[in-house]
Amino acid sequence: SQQGEEDPQALSIQEGENATMNCSYKTSINNLQWYRQNSGRGLVHLILIRSNEREKHSGRLRVTLDTSKKSSSLLITASRAADTASYFCATVGLAGKSTFGDGTTLTVKP
Amino acid sequence: ETGVTQSPTHLIKTRGQQVTLRCSSQSGHNTVSWYQQALGQGPQFIFQYYREEENGRGNFPPRFSGLQFPNYSSELNVNALELDDSALYLCASSLTPGREYDEQFFGPGTRLTVL
Repeated sequence: SQQGEEDPQALSIQEGENATMNCSYKTSINNLQWYRQNSGRGLVHLILIRSNEREKHSGRLRVTLDTSKKSSSLLITASRAADTASYFCATVGLAGKSTFGDGTTLTVKP
Repeated sequence: ETGVTQSPTHLIKTRGQQVTLRCSSQSGHNTVSWYQQALGQGPQFIFQYYREEENGRGNFPPRFSGLQFPNYSSELNVNALELDDSALYLCASSLTPGREYDEQFFGPGTRLTVL
């Protein structure tokens, strides 16, 4: 089974709304990374949060990490149609191996 | 755009054949990881190479093998192709595996279709 599991599997919102995606994992991590993938293409790195950090911001992105609950969330504020994509969290273990969930598919309607 | 490149972009093979996929890592990165992504799923870790040595492997059979060269570029070889090997193959480069601040940068992927 996957280490990281995203929730929800699919999310549909209107442009301008906020989108929140969650990720849960099972074992200890070095860091957790969020990626975006447009249909069938390579993954774009969005943000990395280390195991000793609780929150990070990058532009319209806000990531939180709760190691006691083994969970993370990605918030995209003021969404745009161009944010339509699949979003993945990847947990990086102590040996440097990344484990991905199956992603959240976000659709932002203009 | 990352500095990670992959070739070829698309590939069609038949069952039983062998395939070699290539990846050039981002300048300054000495670690390459390979992933298989089936349609509708997240990437699955195949293996990682660090300074020309295998540095971890996922749950893939031995017919999936790899190499890393002195310039840190890498190859993924798959023998005896099966229909289920049809997927997007992604490589990612990073600086130092296991470090808590180590970011991975992905290439555009190679789409492999096995008929």
